[in-house]
Amino acid sequence: AQKVTQAQTEISVVEKEDVTLDCVYETRDTTYYLFWYKQPPSGELVFLIRRNSFDEQNEISGRYSWNFQKSTSSFNFTITASQVVDSAVYFCALSGDNFNKFYFGSGTKLNVKP
Amino acid sequence: DAMVIQNPRYQVTQFGKPVTLSCSQTLNHNVMYWYQQKSSQAPKLLFHYYDKDFNNEADTPDNFQSRRPNTSFCFLDIRSPGLGDAAMYLCATSRDLQGSNEQYFGPGTRLTVT
Repeated sequence: AQKVTQAQTEISVVEKEDVTLDCVYETRDTTYYLFWYKQPPSGELVFLIRRNSFDEQNEISGRYSWNFQKSTSSFNFTITASQVVDSAVYFCALSGDNFNKFYFGSGTKLNVKP
Repeated sequence: DAMVIQNPRYQVTQFGKPVTLSCSQTLNHNVMYWYQQKSSQAPKLLFHYYDKDFNNEADTPDNFQSRRPNTSFCFLDIRSPGLGDAAMYLCATSRDLQGSNEQYFGPGTRLTVT
């Protein structure tokens, strides 16, 4: 069975703080894909990153970085020097190799206060 | 810019009165999805089209139907909306069904049932 757990329901930080959003997944597939999406108050889910199961290299994109660890089945997302515009709900999602059905976590609401 | 467009952004309907939500895309993607997202929850897949091939999720109520007259457009029909159908409805597209494909989401239609 495919499952994604985002244990942090809501996180509040003050601007310029670093924050890490946790994502733990379960799958029996040997090939799978992990995604992070951002959902601002406007409602649209914005794609942030995709990682396949064979690529454990961490990635950095500006203030965003992702830490993929197969040993712990985790794909965590860190925002460095957070900004008010980062306030949103962040979803982690998992899909298998054969079909592009997304299994979403329950989301983490990030509040960045000035 | 290529994108996924949903109209209207806000829809109010009466209990039991049929309603149609629309989605269009300029990405020329083969797959279109409809998701239901209730407050503080993850998006829930209702069904998807791969070209003209319709695929319903097992737990999608019969009250929800969909049409895809051409590659660009897809409609969500709710035949007899109940109060429990009030939600955000998200349309998404992907190039094909491979698990590696990210999904591109529209801004959503927020449905209110009175």
